[in-house]
Amino acid sequence: AQSVAQPEDQVNVAEGNPLTVKCTYSVSGNPYLFWYVQYPNRGLQFLLKYITGDNLVKGSYGFEAEFNKSQTSFHLKKPSALVSDSALYFCAVSAGYSSASKIIFGSGTRLSIRP
Amino acid sequence: DTGVSQNPRHKITKRGQNVTFRCDPISEHNRLYWYRQTLGQGPEFLTYFQNEAQLEKSRLLSDRFSAERPKGSFSTLEIQRTEQGDSAMYLCASSAGTGSYEQYFGPGTRLTVT
Repeated sequence: AQSVAQPEDQVNVAEGNPLTVKCTYSVSGNPYLFWYVQYPNRGLQFLLKYITGDNLVKGSYGFEAEFNKSQTSFHLKKPSALVSDSALYFCAVSAGYSSASKIIFGSGTRLSIRP
Repeated sequence: DTGVSQNPRHKITKRGQNVTFRCDPISEHNRLYWYRQTLGQGPEFLTYFQNEAQLEKSRLLSDRFSAERPKGSFSTLEIQRTEQGDSAMYLCASSAGTGSYEQYFGPGTRLTVT
């Protein structure tokens, strides 16, 4: 069965420093991977996806993620953190073989950026 | 394009009552999904429509839950005989179709069963 693990419940980073939010996955077949962000009292917002191609994918708000097949990881990164990046981040994997498939989410990582 | 909308945003009901939520997807998105999210957890898949056809249902969706998308546009999720364990955020998402893998989420409906 497909699954996603986010090993850190919380990540604390100083503003201006690089940040990494970790994600590992388990799928049968090719993985379709996503990152979403959730701000308080707002819905999930799509950040970026990996479907195929370059292992480094770029997304919204300066975020990027690196797909590593051998380590089954899809870590979210940003070179310089902003206080406004503080939010709850979810890694997710598509559970099937088509673009219609449901998404399986990790349990989330709370990112806190201190000024 | 105003995004996915959901109504109501909040619902408080007494145990045993029926509730119905509505989701309006992004226009021209033919796929619509329902998820449930409890505090401290990621969203869990409930069910999925392609146009008006309900193509997949999770085992989480007991027989008290029913979803419809009668004309392939908006969708409703009904919970009958609500239980306290149904208290959660109910999220709706839509996606554009073949080759479009990402789903776009609405703000959710928070259900509290007292």
